[in-house]
Amino acid sequence: AQSVTQLDSQVPVFEEAPVELRCNYSSSVSVYLFWYVQYPNQGLQLLLKYLSGSTLVESINGFEAEFNKSQTSFHLRKPSVHISDTAEYFCAVSDLQTGANNLFFGTGTRLTVIP
Amino acid sequence: DADVTQTPRNRITKTGKRIMLECSQTKGHDRMYWYRQDPGLGLRLIYYSFDVKDINKGEISDGYSVSRQAQAKFSLSLESAIPNQTALYFCATSDSPGQGGVAQTQYFGPGTRLLVL
Repeated sequence: AQSVTQLDSQVPVFEEAPVELRCNYSSSVSVYLFWYVQYPNQGLQLLLKYLSGSTLVESINGFEAEFNKSQTSFHLRKPSVHISDTAEYFCAVSDLQTGANNLFFGTGTRLTVIP
Repeated sequence: DADVTQTPRNRITKTGKRIMLECSQTKGHDRMYWYRQDPGLGLRLIYYSFDVKDINKGEISDGYSVSRQAQAKFSLSLESAIPNQTALYFCATSDSPGQGGVAQTQYFGPGTRLLVL
């Protein structure tokens, strides 16, 4: 079975500072990778995804993530965070072997942006 | 109006009671999912359904059952609730995999917060 590791459970960062949220997965087959965001008292929303092609994917609100196959990583970055980015972020992975739509989630990283 | 709705949004029940959580979607998706979220554990898949006649167990199905009444409705039941089923429950939907088996985005409901006393 797939496993997803998000080593940082909490990441505090000052407003306008850069941030990186780490995600590593275990798989020897081709994978699909996702970052979901959960704002307080809401459900999860897709932030960005890697399916194929360019290894660098971007979201509309300035986040980006890079698929690194050799390191089995999909870290999420933003060069300058805003207060509104405070949320919990979940990395998820799926693959054809276990079913392309069966997502395995990491334990989440709570990002807190400090004014 | 929300594409994926869940009722109730909050529920308190007692040990041993039977309860049902309901999920409806207007996205026209074939696939529906039930997850539970626990602090520090992320989301874990309980059951998923590829269509009305295709229901599958997920990672943590023990103690739960589901019913896919129609393409748009997928209910989760706790036959005899116990305190360690206290959690936040999410329903999600997606299209079937695209050409070549490419994964589709899952869309989540707002969640049901369940407390079992």
